[in-house]
Amino acid sequence: AQTVTQSQPEMSVQEAETVTLSCTYDTSESDYYLFWYKQPPSRQMILVIRQEAYKQQNATENRFSVNFQKAAKSFSLKISDSQLGDAAMYFCASYNSGGSNYKLTFGKGTLLTVNP
Amino acid sequence: DTGVSQDPRHKITKRGQNVTFRCDPISEHNRLYWYRQTLGQGPEFLTYFQNEAQLEKSRLLSDRFSAERPKGSFSTLEIQRTEQGDSAMYLCASSLGGRDSYEQYFGPGTRLTVT
Repeated sequence: AQTVTQSQPEMSVQEAETVTLSCTYDTSESDYYLFWYKQPPSRQMILVIRQEAYKQQNATENRFSVNFQKAAKSFSLKISDSQLGDAAMYFCASYNSGGSNYKLTFGKGTLLTVNP
Repeated sequence: DTGVSQDPRHKITKRGQNVTFRCDPISEHNRLYWYRQTLGQGPEFLTYFQNEAQLEKSRLLSDRFSAERPKGSFSTLEIQRTEQGDSAMYLCASSLGGRDSYEQYFGPGTRLTVT
């Protein structure tokens, strides 16, 4: 079974500053993906960034980047130059691509507030 | 196609009533998933379909819950004899098959309140 833990229920950042959201996971699988999803208030969940476990290079999408530490089973999200529109609930999730179970396993989320 | 749609967006019902939700996936996606999200929690997997076949059900899906995807397109999730503990956001997602199924696209959800 996979588990995902987000230890920061809430985080805040000043506009234009950088913030890092933490995530740890546990899996016995060797073939998996990790994701960060963003869920704005009353809006649908969207994929922010993904990381294939077999890739050593950390994924980057514009202002969003990850720090993937496979041995430590850590997967943090860094948001640079934070914008007001980044305010949302952020969920870390894992996906086992090697088996027949295609579900996403989510953490409890981190509520990010961006202060002007 | 503009994405995954869900109907209704909000549903208030009295305990003991039956409710049904609908999900329309992205048209070329053959996999469809249902998740439940309670307050302060991340989404939890309920069930998924490959075309019209329901291939996995979570232990969260009690016998009061039933899901269908009759023609491999839209899906319905029915809850019979609703209980207050069923109050949650019900999320639908869809994806392509094969290794690309990790890319799941979510709908806006149906928020259920059981009074």
